[in-house]
Amino acid sequence: QITLKESGPTLMKPTQTLTLTCSFSGFSLTTSGVGVGWIRQPPGKALEWLALIYWDDDKRYNPSLKNRLTITKDTSKNQVVLTMTNADPVDTGTYYCAHRGSYYGDLDFWGQGTLVTVSS
Amino acid sequence: DIQMTQSPSSLPASVGDRVTITCRASQRISTYLNWYQQKPGKAPKLLIYAASSLQSGVPSRFSGSGSGTDFTLTISSLQLEDFATYYCQHSSSTLYTFGQGTKLEIK
Repeated sequence: QITLKESGPTLMKPTQTLTLTCSFSGFSLTTSGVGVGWIRQPPGKALEWLALIYWDDDKRYNPSLKNRLTITKDTSKNQVVLTMTNADPVDTGTYYCAHRGSYYGDLDFWGQGTLVTVSS
Repeated sequence: DIQMTQSPSSLPASVGDRVTITCRASQRISTYLNWYQQKPGKAPKLLIYAASSLQSGVPSRFSGSGSGTDFTLTISSLQLEDFATYYCQHSSSTLYTFGQGTKLEIK
């Protein structure tokens, strides 16, 4: 059974660096084809893909946020970490991590999400 | 970058209706198209992958079709639990893109 869970700060101030951790079980990020991604959703708005890391440490970023994002993995801990620099109130929202299901890029298992509020 | 445009943005419907949601890609994407359902306060749930493959455990009243630039998600007979927001999503070798969502509302 695949499960994922996000953790991180609930409240932060503008200009701070946001660090989110996705802890997962039921799969290994050393297995060929596996990937874990981050997606966020501002309150009342649509989903926005942020980044994804593959089993071979290949990384992909949303071009509009690429300069602010870093995604890493720790296979010994079964964790994926996303950092976002220079937080702004527009970064407020629910952040999800998800397991990449197949070559078609479907995200078949999701964490419950964690709400992050950026406010002075 | 490829843009994904869903229509309509909102869709009033009744239990038992057959409904169709459309997703259009700004470039041809073969069948690299997935559909999700999201209920308030919950994470999205994968319904359809590769344009037309039903995810395990998803009721057969959900179906997907299309290839190239035009795709549809059809619910053959709406149930009360189907009122939610639906998103299409494309993945390429470099990035993932979601549509803006379609909110299925009770008429």
